[in-house]
Amino acid sequence: DVKVTQSSRYLVKRTGEKVFLECVQDMDHENMFWYRQDPGLGLRLIYFSYDVKMKEKGDIPEGYSVSREKKERFSLILESASTNQTSMYLCASSLFWESVGGYTFGSGTRLTVV
Amino acid sequence: AQSVTQLDSHVSVSEGTPVLLRCNYSSSYSPSLFWYVQHPNKGLQLLLKYTSAATLVKGINGFEAEFKKSETSFHLTKPSAHMSDAAEYFCVVSDQNDYKLSFGAGTTVTVRA
Repeated sequence: DVKVTQSSRYLVKRTGEKVFLECVQDMDHENMFWYRQDPGLGLRLIYFSYDVKMKEKGDIPEGYSVSREKKERFSLILESASTNQTSMYLCASSLFWESVGGYTFGSGTRLTVV
Repeated sequence: AQSVTQLDSHVSVSEGTPVLLRCNYSSSYSPSLFWYVQHPNKGLQLLLKYTSAATLVKGINGFEAEFKKSETSFHLTKPSAHMSDAAEYFCVVSDQNDYKLSFGAGTTVTVRA
């Protein structure tokens, strides 16, 4: 079965901390994505990567960066966490450049910044 | 540019009755359309997708959706709700040949016994 695994289910961090959210997929997918999910706003794209060491900004990249050193792993980095980054973070991957095939999502990381 | 409007933030139905979740979209090109479901504390699961083949799309768990270009709609239906259908549902659009998905705000479904 296809899997996207996010390393932490729940995280609590302090304001100003550097935070790493990890995502691993075992499907040999080229594309990987980070979204944040907030009530009433649906999912919003933060960053995506279409190949190792390649990245592109999504709709809300401010305050975030990403790293993709290996094909299977895509990390989201909060350089200096702030309370407005408290949210559910979802990682996803897809095989094709187009979205036709659909995405596979991880179970999410609920981050609380205090 | 592409966008999605889910017309109901909450839908409450009785078990065994039909479910209708409404979705309107806008897209500059031929769209791909999806419905995803998210059960509590779980990731998103693909229910069904439309990609310019048949306009009536059947998905998992008895759900189906109809693509109506003239109405720019992609409503999700199920003839008989089950308690396990209680979840949040997202309508999603993408322009074909594009990586990017645009999500609606979500519809929370409650099923009453």
